[in-house]
Amino acid sequence: DIQMTQSPSILSASVGDTVTITCRASQNINNWLAWYQQKPGKAPKLLIYTASGLESGVPSRFSGSGSGTEFTLTINCLQPDDFATYYCQQYSSWSLFTFGPGTKVDIK
Amino acid sequence: EVHLVESGGGLVQPGESLRLSCVASGFTFSECWMSWVRQTPGTGLEWVANIKEDGSETYYVDSVRGRFTISRDNTKNSLYLQINSLRAEDTAVYFCARAYQGSGSHDSWGQGTLVTVSS
Repeated sequence: DIQMTQSPSILSASVGDTVTITCRASQNINNWLAWYQQKPGKAPKLLIYTASGLESGVPSRFSGSGSGTEFTLTINCLQPDDFATYYCQQYSSWSLFTFGPGTKVDIK
Repeated sequence: EVHLVESGGGLVQPGESLRLSCVASGFTFSECWMSWVRQTPGTGLEWVANIKEDGSETYYVDSVRGRFTISRDNTKNSLYLQINSLRAEDTAVYFCARAYQGSGSHDSWGQGTLVTVSS
């Protein structure tokens, strides 16, 4: 099974900061990685697909990079609406998807 | 506009069964892989199962294989999750989600339905 880890688990930041979240896979997943944003009581929202593809309607301050086993989500110029929990998800095979444990971005 | 609406959750006792439904609209349901994802209150997301466009392939996370069955009815634009032998650890919000353009990222999600397993 492919395990996903994320770091940090909690990230304290201020409006205007640039933040980076790292996601690591236990084996090579090429670029089959997505990033989601979730706010309390809401469904996840797709931000990034295939590691770096920006989902339609998502602000350009969000960007993704990486391939193989290490990936990053960067949020430039953090906005008040960006305080949320972020999850990565690998989908290298239809037979098993895996989410990372999440990174909570909160206000410093 | 894509719309996914889950139903069927509730309070059940351990060992009982439940059938969750998800009705889709706003897109060609029969052309999309679909997934169920769950989230235990206050914790992270767990992919549970998915099903191919025509229902010919289904996959499950190890912890539910043999107890959960994912299915679909493309004539009704509906996705289902039959959950048997419920356990306390199955308590969660269950989301249905659409796979994005034939890949495994999920671009549309329902609002979720809460399943609580308790005696």
